[in-house]
Amino acid sequence: KAGVTQTPRYLIKTRGQQVTLSCSPISGHRSVSWYQQTPGQGLQFLFEYFSETQRNKGNFPGRFSGRQFSNSRSEMNVSTLELGDSALYLCASSLVTSGGNEQFFGPGTRLTVL
Amino acid sequence: LAKTTQPISMDSYEGQEVNITCSHNNIATNDYITWYQQFPSQGPRFIIQGYKTKVTNEVASLFIPADRKSSTLSLPRVSLSDTAVYYCLVRKRGSTLGRLYFGRGTQLTVWP
Repeated sequence: KAGVTQTPRYLIKTRGQQVTLSCSPISGHRSVSWYQQTPGQGLQFLFEYFSETQRNKGNFPGRFSGRQFSNSRSEMNVSTLELGDSALYLCASSLVTSGGNEQFFGPGTRLTVL
Repeated sequence: LAKTTQPISMDSYEGQEVNITCSHNNIATNDYITWYQQFPSQGPRFIIQGYKTKVTNEVASLFIPADRKSSTLSLPRVSLSDTAVYYCLVRKRGSTLGRLYFGRGTQLTVWP
């Protein structure tokens, strides 16, 4: 069974631009969560989607948004990029949103903002 | 939400057993304890999860005392490829939860 895939793997943008990252969950998984990882802040939760609905949201500004499609694939968008948005963005999928279910992470998208 | 505390770093040599302890004093009755492993520039990988006593899989063992205020991840006979960051998490079961709270983790370095 294929794992979680994320595209692109690497991205370089400049301040003020916007970016869209894509995540394809494991087949059959309906829950997709997004995380931002930086050396200073560690792994921080962005948001979670289940059945095309946002179920959970972390403490990030409105510039960070996401959506999920009917096939469970998800995208996240960051508008008006800032230097501090440079990070590894990770996507994770799981079967359901109940506690106790394992989350499977993708390899991440490395975003660099210049 | 139960906060976890674990050592920032640990060193070991190949072939040794490594035990990483995590404190979670405010753990709730319906919380699981979960451990993840992360290599540089990769996503975290689930290692093991437990609720009480002992859990063992092909990769590690997890020991949880009766009061559940701490847990110990045990890696038998580590190799160089076990060098990674290990995260201890506490997560609720039976509720809507896609959100994982990662602390700083423990950087394990295995030396030849």
